[in-house]
Amino acid sequence: EAQVTQNPRYLITVTGKKLTVTCSQNMNHEYMSWYRQDPGLGLRQIYYSMNVEVTDKGDVPEGYKVSRKEKRNFPLILESPSPNQTSLYFCASSFTGRDTEAFFGQGTRLTVV
Amino acid sequence: SQQGEEDPQALSIQEGENATMNCSYKTSINNLQWYRQNSGRGLVHLILIRSNEREKHSGRLRVTLDTSKKSSSLLITASRAADTASYFCATDRYSSASKIIFGSGTRLSIRP
Repeated sequence: EAQVTQNPRYLITVTGKKLTVTCSQNMNHEYMSWYRQDPGLGLRQIYYSMNVEVTDKGDVPEGYKVSRKEKRNFPLILESPSPNQTSLYFCASSFTGRDTEAFFGQGTRLTVV
Repeated sequence: SQQGEEDPQALSIQEGENATMNCSYKTSINNLQWYRQNSGRGLVHLILIRSNEREKHSGRLRVTLDTSKKSSSLLITASRAADTASYFCATDRYSSASKIIFGSGTRLSIRP
């Protein structure tokens, strides 16, 4: 089954404790992206990657890191989480990014206390 | 910065009625897409319309695009309870097509 898998689904952590949210897709997509969703703000793009070893900033990249060492994986790293990073996070993938449909993971609800 | 803005923010209609949602954007685009999100879950792609297209259909969905007005509309005909969800438009930017920008969404509620 074609899918984007995020882990964990739920995470509560403390300020400053490094964490990684994993994202994996099995569709051989070149384009992968991370979004955060906050009430009233819709989805805002954090980082995206057009292919292996190619990543770029979205609209809200501060406080986040990503890497794309393999085509299927695109982890999101919070080196020193802060409470304003409490949010619902989505990973998405597509063949090319702009003109093909994106497939979304089920989301990771992160709470930073 | 948000590219797409949906209108209205919330819409409640009777089952069987048609629902219309609008999306406005600021800069030139290559494509516009509509997605549905059931409460707290991942988004599901509904339809993509290219900048050189004016209208597109998919089942009970009809999407229009007016590039001169920088706006799009999504029409859901003969609504069902299962259509209750949030609907988002997503656009790229003509100058930076790799960035996909989502609006803040329209929450659609279908009353039985």
